[in-house]
Amino acid sequence: DAKTTQPNSMESNEEEPVHLPCNHSTISGTDYIHWYRQLPSQGPEYVIHGLTSNVNNRMASLAIAEDRKSSTLILHRATLRDAAVYYCILSRGSGNTGKLIFGQGTTLQVKP
Amino acid sequence: EAQVTQNPRYLITVTGKKLTVTCSQNMNHEYMSWYRQDPGLGLRQIYYSMNVEVTDKGDVPEGYKVSRKEKRNFPLILESPSPNQTSLYFCASSLRPPRRGTSTDTQYFGPGTRLTVL
Repeated sequence: DAKTTQPNSMESNEEEPVHLPCNHSTISGTDYIHWYRQLPSQGPEYVIHGLTSNVNNRMASLAIAEDRKSSTLILHRATLRDAAVYYCILSRGSGNTGKLIFGQGTTLQVKP
Repeated sequence: EAQVTQNPRYLITVTGKKLTVTCSQNMNHEYMSWYRQDPGLGLRQIYYSMNVEVTDKGDVPEGYKVSRKEKRNFPLILESPSPNQTSLYFCASSLRPPRRGTSTDTQYFGPGTRLTVL
């Protein structure tokens, strides 16, 4: 199974951009890249996902390397509410497993 | 309100006493899944279900059972709990299985069940 590698922790100042990296060097051609985050004492929540092209939504942007072996979640202006654990996840675009592979997650601290 | 609910939210039990953690979703989702979360290990998938009567093992299925008799419910059963099953458990659902790779496979997570087995 393809796995992801993320830094254990990162810090950011409030209202500054944050770039959260994820390595997935063994990704297969049909794996989608998903990002979820987990706020304290809550279940994970969806942030964004993509396959090959960069993606934007109201929460964040996802930049995917051309070789797809890495990706970066971009929070354009971090707020205190963005302090959470961010998970980079690969899901299969073919096959019949439906299995999600969670990375270890990056704990993001946002300083006022 | 669209949501995934779990019950109980907190449970303390003793080794060997069978228990069931319920999970229910009101979004008519096909795909449901159970995870456990442990310090330093992140979230690990226990079992998942692609649809009614279709279940399969995730990464850590030992000691657990599931059933999917109805689309909305996906209970997690611990026939003989042991202390190493002390953990935080999350149920999740999505309209379609993640493999489809569209917005329909966004997973919605429940609030979690904190289980302690003494």
